Amino acid sequence: KQEVTQIPAALSVPEGENLVLNCSFTDSAIYNLQWFRQDPGKGLTSLLLIQSSQREQTSGRLNASLDKSSGRSTLYIAASQPGDSATYLCALPSNSGYALNFGKGTSLLVTP
Amino acid sequence: DAGVIQSPRHEVTEMGQEVTLRCKPISGHDYLFWYRQTMMRGLELLIYFNNNVPIDDSGMPEDRFSAKMPNASFSTLKIQPSEPRDSAVYFCASSGLAGADNEQFFGPGTRLTVL
Repeated sequence: KQEVTQIPAALSVPEGENLVLNCSFTDSAIYNLQWFRQDPGKGLTSLLLIQSSQREQTSGRLNASLDKSSGRSTLYIAASQPGDSATYLCALPSNSGYALNFGKGTSLLVTP
Repeated sequence: DAGVIQSPRHEVTEMGQEVTLRCKPISGHDYLFWYRQTMMRGLELLIYFNNNVPIDDSGMPEDRFSAKMPNASFSTLKIQPSEPRDSAVYFCASSGLAGADNEQFFGPGTRLTVL
């Protein structure tokens, strides 16, 4: 089974800082990797999907990279804002299908 | 599109009762997934369907859990009888493409509390 690890588990930064969230995985035979955002008590919002053939994807202030050979992905958030405070989850399907294996997430707090 | 719709949003029941959770996927999506989220275990797959057919139910905890997808626009997850350890948030997700484009979209979840 695909094992997904996210570091750090929690992060607190002042507003305006650039930050990086890390995700590592054990099986490099993947279709894609997806980053989600989850606000407290809410569902998951898809932020970015990187296909296995891609190295990175960008959406606004977010940039996600993928290095399959090392089993790593990073989510870069530029010029962080208090509204970015949430839990960020990394997820990948295993080689046997499309069901996602999730990391435990990084809980981000951006202070004004 | 309204996105993935789940009902109820909250369910409180007593141990031993039957619980039915409902999901309406995004129109046109061929894949439907049921996940469960707990503090201890995070998000885990329970079962997923492709074109209304169950493909992988290896995450279904035990026989008390069952899921159906009678048509392309509706799925249910049933727990009978429910137990306190079933308390969790249950998410339904859907996706419309296979392979590397299989991006999943999640519903708001059903928060289940079993007393």
